[in-house]
Amino acid sequence: EAQVTQNPRYLITVTGKKLTVTCSQNMNHEYMSWYRQDPGLGLRQIYYSMNVEVTDKGDVPEGYKVSRKEKRNFPLILESPSPNQTSLYFCASSRIPGHMPLHFGNGTRLTVT
Amino acid sequence: AQKVTQAQTEISVVEKEDVTLDCVYETRDTTYYLFWYKQPPSGELVFLIRRNSFDEQNEISGRYSWNFQKSTSSFNFTITASQVVDSAVYFCALSVASGGYQKVTFGTGTKLQVIP
Repeated sequence: EAQVTQNPRYLITVTGKKLTVTCSQNMNHEYMSWYRQDPGLGLRQIYYSMNVEVTDKGDVPEGYKVSRKEKRNFPLILESPSPNQTSLYFCASSRIPGHMPLHFGNGTRLTVT
Repeated sequence: AQKVTQAQTEISVVEKEDVTLDCVYETRDTTYYLFWYKQPPSGELVFLIRRNSFDEQNEISGRYSWNFQKSTSSFNFTITASQVVDSAVYFCALSVASGGYQKVTFGTGTKLQVIP
């Protein structure tokens, strides 16, 4: 089954404790991206990757890191999480960036206390 | 700069009523794509439709229809004879990709509640 898999689904952590949210897709998509969803703000793009070893900032990259060492994986790293990063995070992939629809993972609800 | 405006934050309708969700976009690019996504209460994001900037043909798919008008920079979504299962948050999105540049901008979403 074609899918984007995010883990974990729920995560509660404390300020400053490094964490990684994993994202993997099995559709051989070149394009992958991360979004955060906050009430009243919709989805905002954090980072995206056009291909392996090619990443770029979205609208809200501060406090986040990403890497794209393999085509299928695109982890989101929070080196020192803060409470303002409490949010619902979605990973997505697409066959052709911009042209084709995004396939989303099921989301990761992160709470930073 | 790109912008997508969904002015309707929440809409409530009674089952079987028709409802239109508005989407207005801004971009300087001449080639772009517009999307609608649905987020039901379970939380996943589901793709509904895609339109490119050169295709203004309206589309009907079952109870869903979309009206794309470049002259007013709008891409509105109508649900005919709404059902409780249509209750969800609906997002409009604008996407531009050129060479190594890509940007997707989502609206803030419209929460639709269909009351039985």
